[in-house]
Amino acid sequence: DQQVKQNSPSLSVQEGRISILNCDYTNSMFDYFLWYKKYPAEGPTFLISISSIKDKNEDGRFTVFLNKSAKHLSLHIVPSQPGDSAVYFCAASDNQGGKLIFGQGTELSVKP
Amino acid sequence: GAVVSQHPSRVICKSGTSVKIECRSLDFQATTMFWYRQFPKQSLMLMATSNEGSKATYEQGVEKDKFLINHASLTLSTLTVTSAHPEDSSFYICSARVRQGLNNEQFFGPGTRLTVL
Repeated sequence: DQQVKQNSPSLSVQEGRISILNCDYTNSMFDYFLWYKKYPAEGPTFLISISSIKDKNEDGRFTVFLNKSAKHLSLHIVPSQPGDSAVYFCAASDNQGGKLIFGQGTELSVKP
Repeated sequence: GAVVSQHPSRVICKSGTSVKIECRSLDFQATTMFWYRQFPKQSLMLMATSNEGSKATYEQGVEKDKFLINHASLTLSTLTVTSAHPEDSSFYICSARVRQGLNNEQFFGPGTRLTVL
């Protein structure tokens, strides 16, 4: 049972435009969500996170939105840059055991 | 951010041999480390949670006798793949947890590519 889902395996965006990556979850016990960026043959790099007590968190070009009623979160990157091209994973935890449950990832391609 | 290293970065071994992968937190102490594996084009799947000084907690479907985890110190956890077979070929990634208030952030190592011939 996939508790965290990223239904878009890939996304292509023009440089300078907004990239929106989506993530859905099913477990209502999740209360902390994270986005990671990953290049091939490397470990994931932490990008941004959000606690369930918030609905938005912003850090530079990256903003994460959380809609708890819909069990949906999204990562906005604006403006998108070619260096943003990578696979993006969303992850969720219930903060009890510290385990992270990852989505399948979305491969973002930002074209110049 | 916190730095986590893994060694080796890649290893090729013969079927039936054992391979040890090290995970180190370089500039912080990690009471909890996690081991993941990732198959091509797939998500990171948690294999086990490693707590310093105690036995690891394995996820359902992960053989604890095949994937031996030792967390002997606050900066080192090791994963040993025993009697490796070609189906064990994968990308193994460790992470270390850093507590910041109520938040639970994990910092990942660069991963180890295991190829079993």
